[in-house]
Amino acid sequence: GAVVSQHPSRVICKSGTSVKIECRSLDFQATTMFWYRQFPKQSLMLMATSNEGSKATYEQGVEKDKFLINHASLTLSTLTVTSAHPEDSSFYICSARTKAEYQETQYFGPGTRLLVL
Amino acid sequence: AQKITQTQPGMFVQEKEAVTLDCTYDTSDQSYGLFWYKQPSSGEMIFLIYQGSYDEQNATEGRYSLNFQKARKSANLVISASQLGDSAMYFCAMRGIYGGATNKLIFGTGTLLAVQP
Repeated sequence: GAVVSQHPSRVICKSGTSVKIECRSLDFQATTMFWYRQFPKQSLMLMATSNEGSKATYEQGVEKDKFLINHASLTLSTLTVTSAHPEDSSFYICSARTKAEYQETQYFGPGTRLLVL
Repeated sequence: AQKITQTQPGMFVQEKEAVTLDCTYDTSDQSYGLFWYKQPSSGEMIFLIYQGSYDEQNATEGRYSLNFQKARKSANLVISASQLGDSAMYFCAMRGIYGGATNKLIFGTGTLLAVQP
């Protein structure tokens, strides 16, 4: 299957700093990428949909000024958590969509564990 | 509104036996896709199997098969000959396709499967 990478895999930062997470589709072009957030023992919650060359679409309740998303190319999307606080500690997973015949398969990156102290 | 329901928070199965993980859904889309993902303790989301709403045959991928009953709006995952490495969290997900009104992948709450030797 298609490969999606994320960097870093885990990060620890101090409260008030900003953290950037990169998501790359390695062997395909992804016109749409998605950012999810997962708290321990919970399901994935969609934060925003990122389309190459346009502004991201945020889900209700997600602060766009806090979670900055940039989709600069067909293979790269970045999520920046600005002025991170302990409550932002979570598992962040990106996903990229590709088309295989009529089936739009969605592949996920390995995730980034963020811990804000 | 779209909704995915997984009623089994956790399940045990003996190694080499088959297990069925339940998933029911609700949608107003005419065309949609159903997905199953596996999430081991490492956190990555592994795509297992896909079923399109207009597919007449149940999807199969190796030891995984999807028992799709459209009238009952259920898409249960069957894992045959369970292996210890199958122990993980399993998520059922759904998305509208063919330009459906809802094009976001939404997830159920997941089922934690434990395979016993």
